Amino acid sequence: GAVVSQHPSWVICKSGTSVKIECRSLDFQATTMFWYRQFPKQSLMLMATSNEGSKATYEQGVEKDKFLINHASLTLSTLTVTSAHPEDSSFYICSPLLAGVSYNEQFFGPGTRLTVL
Amino acid sequence: KNEVEQSPQNLTAQEGEFITINCSYSVGISALHWLQQHPGGGIVSLFMLSSGKKKHGRLIATINIQEKHSSLHITASHPRDSAVYICAVGGGADGLTFGKGTHLIIQP
Repeated sequence: GAVVSQHPSWVICKSGTSVKIECRSLDFQATTMFWYRQFPKQSLMLMATSNEGSKATYEQGVEKDKFLINHASLTLSTLTVTSAHPEDSSFYICSPLLAGVSYNEQFFGPGTRLTVL
Repeated sequence: KNEVEQSPQNLTAQEGEFITINCSYSVGISALHWLQQHPGGGIVSLFMLSSGKKKHGRLIATINIQEKHSSLHITASHPRDSAVYICAVGGGADGLTFGKGTHLIIQP
């Protein structure tokens, strides 16, 4: 099946720094990328949706200037958490919608656990 | 917005028991997904359903579109089945809406 890689798998940073998370689809082209986050003991929540070459669409309550998404190519999308704060500590997962694969089939990156001190 | 409810939230069972996890949702959907999340956080897609029933090994998933309800069954449960099982609806260009998950522990 399709392979989705995500890097880094975990990161610890100081408050105020920025963290970039990369998500790559290795077998198929990702026309759309979903970014989810999961706080401890909570369900996964959609943060934003990006389409290759266009601006991301953010869910209500997600600050677009804080969570910068770049989807410049069909195999790479990045999420940058700018000026991270402890409340941004969460598990971030990318999920590409892959061209040529069943429209509803879901694939997920392995996730990035972010801890902001 | 779809509301996805799962039950039970936590389930501990003995090895070999038959397990049932339930999921209900509020708005009609094109597809429902059952996912498995391991302690490290990684998510694996188990099933995608739009109608009827699917079986894969010891796992069975059913869906009743009229009642907006789905169940995930595990037969002959094993400690390696211990994980969080998540029901999610939607997909395609709209992304998924997730339930809170069911924490399953199978004791030897």
